[in-house]
Amino acid sequence: QEQLVESGGGVVQPGRSLRLSCAASGFTFNSYGIHWVRQAPGQGLEWVAFIQYDGHNKYYTDSVKGRFTISRDNSKNTLYLQMNSLRPEDTALYYCAKGLSGAGTGDAFDIWGQGTMVTVSS
Amino acid sequence: SYELTQPPSVSVSPGQTASITCSGDKLGDKYVCWYQQKPDRSPVLVIYQDSKRPSGIPERLSGSNSGNTATLTISGTQAMDEADYYCQAWDSNTVVFGGGTKLTVL
Repeated sequence: QEQLVESGGGVVQPGRSLRLSCAASGFTFNSYGIHWVRQAPGQGLEWVAFIQYDGHNKYYTDSVKGRFTISRDNSKNTLYLQMNSLRPEDTALYYCAKGLSGAGTGDAFDIWGQGTMVTVSS
Repeated sequence: SYELTQPPSVSVSPGQTASITCSGDKLGDKYVCWYQQKPDRSPVLVIYQDSKRPSGIPERLSGSNSGNTATLTISGTQAMDEADYYCQAWDSNTVVFGGGTKLTVL
């Protein structure tokens, strides 16, 4: 079945970097846009970034622009999120989520991973 | 930036109808989808393109969107429907989530 599995989370000091990965299986990875969405402890969902099926278009929420980079390796069915200059407010459970139809922008998210926790603290 | 507003909480008795609203400027001009999230679980898509249900989602969940308000309606609410619900829309190549509504089935 369609599945996304995140990894790479952990505890990191402010200002440091971390790279998250999201391994996909059960669907044609290179046909769908993929997102990162985060959820701070006890809080709601916050969209972080999107990458088009072919990697050509990428969009970010304002608070991570210039610090985070989304990328993908379609040969490995894997999505990445490079997070630099981390701040305490980046502390959250990070989910990857698949676009429903492959249309890219405008899509709903039909498959979610289980999330990987990132804690930014000194 | 675009904002979606949801009530923090909604309560309903078992078997009754629950309505969860999501408000935003000219929201009816956008597609809205809804996610259900139970404690310590990942979100699940329950409505997309305003009113479509993914496979496996019960018919008692329905959606509508007009004017400035989208609504998720749960008919014949069951205990298993108790969860947090989030609306979501796109605006200028970015994704916006509502703040979430905790549905309590009393």
